[in-house]
Amino acid sequence: AQSVTQPDIHITVSEGASLELRCNYSYGATPYLFWYVQSPGQGLQLLLKYFSGDTLVQGIKGFEAEFKRSQSSFNLRKPSVHWSDAAEYFCAVGARSNYQLIWGAGTKLIIKP
Amino acid sequence: SQTIHQWPATLVQPVGSPLSLECTVEGTSNPNLYWYRQAAGRGLQLLFYSVGIGQISSEVPQNLSASRPQDRQFILSSKKLLLSDSGFYLCAWTKETGRGQETQYFGPGTRLLVL
Repeated sequence: AQSVTQPDIHITVSEGASLELRCNYSYGATPYLFWYVQSPGQGLQLLLKYFSGDTLVQGIKGFEAEFKRSQSSFNLRKPSVHWSDAAEYFCAVGARSNYQLIWGAGTKLIIKP
Repeated sequence: SQTIHQWPATLVQPVGSPLSLECTVEGTSNPNLYWYRQAAGRGLQLLFYSVGIGQISSEVPQNLSASRPQDRQFILSSKKLLLSDSGFYLCAWTKETGRGQETQYFGPGTRLLVL
């Protein structure tokens, strides 16, 4: 079955500390991978995406993600978080031949001052 | 550049009343359009998607319906709202390039509270 797992429902990080949000997927086809961020009461904003090529992808706001096919993972990282990064983060998987995305349940990031 | 609009931003409706939420996209043509619902504290649930005018695919059986009367307009409707219809409704679009899946871009959402 196709699925996306974000194992951490909540993560609390001190401001200035590094961050890694986990995403694991199960998908039969060659995946397209996405990370989105959602601030409270807002729509989703695309952070970065992987379609092909270099497995380390740079995104907006200083985020990056690494596609590891052998581990079926696409973890999101940031070297130093800012209070404005507090939000919910969603991982999603799709395929070239499919109009739909499979979504993770989201990880809520809390920043400690 | 492309923009996506949703209205209203917030809606409070009594149980049993009708619903109409609107989504429009500017700056592109022939987009694929999507309606999602996000219940409180939960992830995204795909409700409908459309690859062209009058073409609607339903993903979840429920009392909601969708229509696409114009190329860049996508409407979510209900004849009688249920309490369980409360949630945050998001519209999204992708560009149809003939290469299949592309990046989805989201509107600002509509918060619906059914009382």
